[in-house]
Amino acid sequence: EPEVTQTPSHQVTQMGQEVILRCVPISNHLYFYWYRQILGQKVEFLVSFYNNEISEKSEIFDDQFSVERPDGSNFTLKIRSTKLEDSAMYFCASTGTSGDYEQYFGPGTRLTVT
Amino acid sequence: EDQVTQSPEALRLQEGESSSLNCSYTVSGLRGLFWYRQDPGKGPEFLFTLYSAGEEKEKERLKATLTKKESFLHITAPKPEDSATYLCAVRYSGGSNYKLTFGKGTLLTVNP
Repeated sequence: EPEVTQTPSHQVTQMGQEVILRCVPISNHLYFYWYRQILGQKVEFLVSFYNNEISEKSEIFDDQFSVERPDGSNFTLKIRSTKLEDSAMYFCASTGTSGDYEQYFGPGTRLTVT
Repeated sequence: EDQVTQSPEALRLQEGESSSLNCSYTVSGLRGLFWYRQDPGKGPEFLFTLYSAGEEKEKERLKATLTKKESFLHITAPKPEDSATYLCAVRYSGGSNYKLTFGKGTLLTVNP
């Protein structure tokens, strides 16, 4: 069964460093998303991406964040200068041919900023 | 004010003891209500989508229903492997086209 994959599973970085989280969405999906979940809190939307551009971003997704689909399979989230409060689980998700369908989530990357 | 509220926050059941989880929403223009299961340290796993009041979906011991203000996830004769956090999320016309807004979840523990 097709699934969303994410690497790395755990990333530890120092405050102020840049990190890139990687995702491989399900192969025929067209809509891509990043969410995050701070420990003990709810899953929060960060950004949606379709047709090689951002469809919407939340207020969390400030100038320190960027997304890219560098090739036909990868979807990345970059945090330019990490802060302690960026520590969270980051989930990539994808949807098929319509954005109204269910989103399938990857296993997540645990980002720890020290 | 939360747009999606789940109750209870935690529920402990004995194996075989049926119960229901609640998800109430205050958004207008609902374009889909989604149930996910999340195991510790893992990503949400899709269970059901409901689009209109009166709709019901079933999968094994789980059944999801939808009204104009809330959804229920009924668990019949649960087993220990049903232990997880169950998340409810909505998509609505007032938000973006496609983002999901999640509730805080219900942590279900099923004891053998």
